[in-house]
Amino acid sequence: KAGVTQTPRYLIKTRGQQVTLSCSPISGHRSVSWYQQTPGQGLQFLFEYFSETQRNKGNFPGRFSGRQFSNSRSEMNVSTLELGDSALYLCASSGRTGLPDTQYFGPGTRLTVL
Amino acid sequence: AQSVTQLDSHVSVSEGTPVLLRCNYSSSYSPSLFWYVQHPNKGLQLLLKYTSAATLVKGINGFEAEFKKSETSFHLTKPSAHMSDAAEYFCVVSLSGNTGKLIFGQGTTLQVKP
Repeated sequence: KAGVTQTPRYLIKTRGQQVTLSCSPISGHRSVSWYQQTPGQGLQFLFEYFSETQRNKGNFPGRFSGRQFSNSRSEMNVSTLELGDSALYLCASSGRTGLPDTQYFGPGTRLTVL
Repeated sequence: AQSVTQLDSHVSVSEGTPVLLRCNYSSSYSPSLFWYVQHPNKGLQLLLKYTSAATLVKGINGFEAEFKKSETSFHLTKPSAHMSDAAEYFCVVSLSGNTGKLIFGQGTTLQVKP
């Protein structure tokens, strides 16, 4: 069974640009969560989507946004990139039923902002 | 507020000796607790999870953890370390009823010496 996939795996952008990251969940999973991992702040929750609706949101500025499509694939977008946005962005999928369930992570997208 | 504290940022053991990675949690609700492992430049892999069934939880690769409510602890152990266990380990709490949001500890780097 295919796991969570994320594309692209690596990205280099410059300050002020925007970026879109993609996540394809495990087949049948309906929940996708996004996390940012940095050496200084560790792993922090960005947001979660379930059945195309944002269900939870972390404490990130509005420059960080996301969406989910009817096939459960999800994208996150970061506008007006800042140097501090350089991080590993991980997505995780879970939840065939909407109840609390184990999250399975993808390999991540490494974003470097110059 | 819910939180997770990993008591050691770095643990070093010799191959073949026991591993103990310590984790304390704080939660007003009945939490689900997890241990994930992250190898360099990889995503997060689930080692084991506790969801209010047996307090001693067995995971993959010989790891296990014991949930102790009185001590609010969820320490990870392995009887005999292998070189391939060298990685970063995260203790994670998921809030009951709050699906999709995981709170991560700061991580413990496990070094295994030959």
